[in-house]
Order: sequence, then structure tokens, then C-alpha cells
Amino acid sequence: GAGVSQSPSNKVTEKGKDVELRCDPISGHTALYWYRQSLGQGLEFLIYFQGNSAPDKSGLPSDRFSAERTGGSVSTLTIQRTQQEDSAVYLCASSLGRGDIQYFGAGTRLSVL
Amino acid sequence: EDKVVQSPLSLVVHEGDTVTLNCSYEVTNFRSLLWYKQEKKAPTFLFMLTSSGIEKKSGRLSSILDKKELFSILNITATQTGDSAVYLCAGDYTGRRALTFGSGTRLQVQP
Repeated sequence: GAGVSQSPSNKVTEKGKDVELRCDPISGHTALYWYRQSLGQGLEFLIYFQGNSAPDKSGLPSDRFSAERTGGSVSTLTIQRTQQEDSAVYLCASSLGRGDIQYFGAGTRLSVL
Repeated sequence: EDKVVQSPLSLVVHEGDTVTLNCSYEVTNFRSLLWYKQEKKAPTFLFMLTSSGIEKKSGRLSSILDKKELFSILNITATQTGDSAVYLCAGDYTGRRALTFGSGTRLQVQP
């Protein structure tokens, strides 16, 4: 695709519900990253994929967070039993490979009520 | 821990002014430094700097890296209201999978 696509753009959910956030990277990009940005803060790394494997899950804040990537393309970030502190903008980025320029999607703004 | 520190945190200027945004970084395992512009949600790529003393330029924006003093600056000349955004600086470090971002500089350009 022309750019990194994320959906939904906004998600409002109730505390305790599960949510799925989707990222469609730039075609041909093997590396995919998820970041989280809380209000007024910088970007916090969550997880990195090289192809379909996730060599680095160190940024996931708890075991309620998980992610997968299939076909070396689309990735889904799942948050189970959402909490209010999960409210943030979730940004996805992709790059040709590790160390190349990362290009970002427009993000998903998650609000947990 | 690798750290990237940006200053100032926020800045208000008038159209036509020149601004300089600062970013300092830690040296251990450093590979490159990147600047992004964030309007609304999506950060858009501006520059990647790897070599010291070589200026990267794009229109009214320019950036340079000083590997001796461990900082980078982003200059914007003849600012316009469309330059209003958060400017993010990020370090790319060997051994870390993702970029390490500073907290950003919020620039507001008033007419």
C-alpha cells in the first residue's frame, strides 16, 4: 500500500473489554513496530516484528497485551481486559528492515471508560 | 539506559521567525538520529542523521548532528503556521529493536 494503514482510527471501550487494533504496513516492509503514546508523552515501544516473528516483546506492559503478525504483513495488537490506563494512541510503524527509516500510520486512539 | 532529551518542551513564535530545536542523546551503541514531525497523530519522517557535521536540508528545514557534543539541532527558517506541530527526535541504537524517542518539542507558530 501507499502508506501504513491502521484501524480503527478511534476506539471507545468499557473497562474490562478486549480490543483488537490492526496495522497494515507498507508493502514489502519486513519490520513492523508497535508504539504507544500517552497524552503529552513521547512514544513508548511495545513490540517489534521481523517477518512473522517477534524477537523483542520487551515493551509489552503486561500479559494482557499480545500481538501477532501473519503472512509477513498485517499485524494485530490485542489488549485483554482493558484498563483505564490503557487509554492512549497506539501507533504502528514499518520499515524495509531493521535499522531503516520507520514510517508511521495515523494511529488508533483508544479510550477506556 | 539509552536516553534522548529534547528542549525546549514547548515554544511559541510568530510567523517569519527562525527556530532551533535541540536534541541530546547518549552515545553508547548509537547508530543514527531521526527527526519526525507529528501533527495530530501520525509522525512523519523528516531527517535521518548518521554522520557528524553534515547538514541535511529540505526546504526551510535543516538538521545537523554533532557526534562530539552528542546533540542534534533542527532549524526551521521563516516559520509558517503550518509548521505548528510536535517535533520528535529519536535515537537508533544497536541492540535495541526500536527507536528511543524524546518527549518532543511542541512548536506553535502564531500568525
